[in-house]
Amino acid sequence: DTEVTQTPKHLVMGMTNKKSLKCEQHMGHRAMYWYKQKAKKPPELMFVYSYEKLSINESVPSRFSPECPNSSLLNLHLHALQPEDSALYLCASSQAWTGANYGYTFGSGTRLTVV
Amino acid sequence: AQSVTQPDIHITVSEGASLELRCNYSYGATPYLFWYVQSPGQGLQLLLKYFSGDTLVQGIKGFEAEFKRSQSSFNLRKPSVHWSDAAEYFCAVGFTSGTYKYIFGTGTRLKVLA
Repeated sequence: DTEVTQTPKHLVMGMTNKKSLKCEQHMGHRAMYWYKQKAKKPPELMFVYSYEKLSINESVPSRFSPECPNSSLLNLHLHALQPEDSALYLCASSQAWTGANYGYTFGSGTRLTVV
Repeated sequence: AQSVTQPDIHITVSEGASLELRCNYSYGATPYLFWYVQSPGQGLQLLLKYFSGDTLVQGIKGFEAEFKRSQSSFNLRKPSVHWSDAAEYFCAVGFTSGTYKYIFGTGTRLKVLA
């Protein structure tokens, strides 16, 4: 299995809602990432998990809360989002975080719309 | 400061023509270098990578890239473009500066004319 699976593919949520994005990989990768991508822009790093521990938080607002329940799963919990948070949210994984000549395997993303 | 630049925002080529997408980086040593492709509404797919050895690397989908240390470049090439190659292409670099950094270029959108 060489895929990163993200669910749901599309999500519309109100500003008072709580929702979660899910990401799963079975490649034995020990680093997992959340990226945010706005239209016509490159992906922006949000969080890095290495060996199931949060290694990097790129000053992301607390309305985004990541969770790594095990080495194969990564969640992003969403609460009280703003319309400007509407974007494509991408999960990725790689064999390791540091010393990395490893490329990333990306999921197909969750298209999030905040209304 | 470390950076990666893709000078061309848009490129249009005819189907069957050759393609070269440019990528330049700024870093004191040789970073890890990557090219990704993103079709509309999809995630990114790794095309190829370079970290040492032969400076001409082969990737998937018939793409290749050449690392030129003297020019701090890692340009992506394809001899004959297919309509299905129309997509956004991102160059990325990985390097250690205190902590590990992975930076994407701003992307080049490729349009293919039939």
